[in-house]
Amino acid sequence: SYVLTQPSSVSVAPGQTATITCEGNNIASKSVHWYQQKPGQAPKHFDDDRPSEIPERISASKSGNTATLTISRVEAGDEADYFCQVWDSTSDHYVFGSGTKVTVL
Amino acid sequence: QVTLQQSGPGLVKPSQSLSLTCAIAGDSVSSSTVSWNWIRQSPSRGLEWLGRTYYRSATSKWYFDSSVSVRGRISITPDTFKNQFSLQLTSVTPDDTAMYYCARHIAAFDFWGQGTLVTVSS
Repeated sequence: SYVLTQPSSVSVAPGQTATITCEGNNIASKSVHWYQQKPGQAPKHFDDDRPSEIPERISASKSGNTATLTISRVEAGDEADYFCQVWDSTSDHYVFGSGTKVTVL
Repeated sequence: QVTLQQSGPGLVKPSQSLSLTCAIAGDSVSSSTVSWNWIRQSPSRGLEWLGRTYYRSATSKWYFDSSVSVRGRISITPDTFKNQFSLQLTSVTPDDTAMYYCARHIAAFDFWGQGTLVTVSS
């Protein structure tokens, strides 16, 4: 089965840049989706079709076996868990990454 | 705006069945452009997709897919009259203890229910 690997935690000072990686075999060939989850809430998708809901500080990219979510000028409100997700056509499964907890120092 | 409202018991005994319902507002369970999914989350498993149901007008058929991890124990059933869909997971064990979410999928999981914490315990 397809596996997505994320670092368990990332710590960043306010105003700095947080980089969250998601590793999977040839992930650059897949559509990668990112979700933010705050305590007690359901995950929330970062939707490119609703840019007004995505801070311009947040961007996503992918290359080879790594997809990356970058949060610039980190704020206290960015503290959350972040998950990547893809569709694995081999197994016909939706697959989630293990999640990365972003802590704002 | 789409909202998904979950309902169902939070405590299930081992070997019994877990049943949850997700009521849809702002969309139709019969929409041909989306799928309706159940996802669970636990410390040991993380986020785990369980399965989906969806309708395609081109074939006038309902479809159902599930994860191999729960295949044989899971069913996801649409209710067009009440505009909702339901999860049933049979023969539960403590390993099925998790927060369960329903979610709509159109390119991504864009709308989620509020979550139901289900504990499997005697």
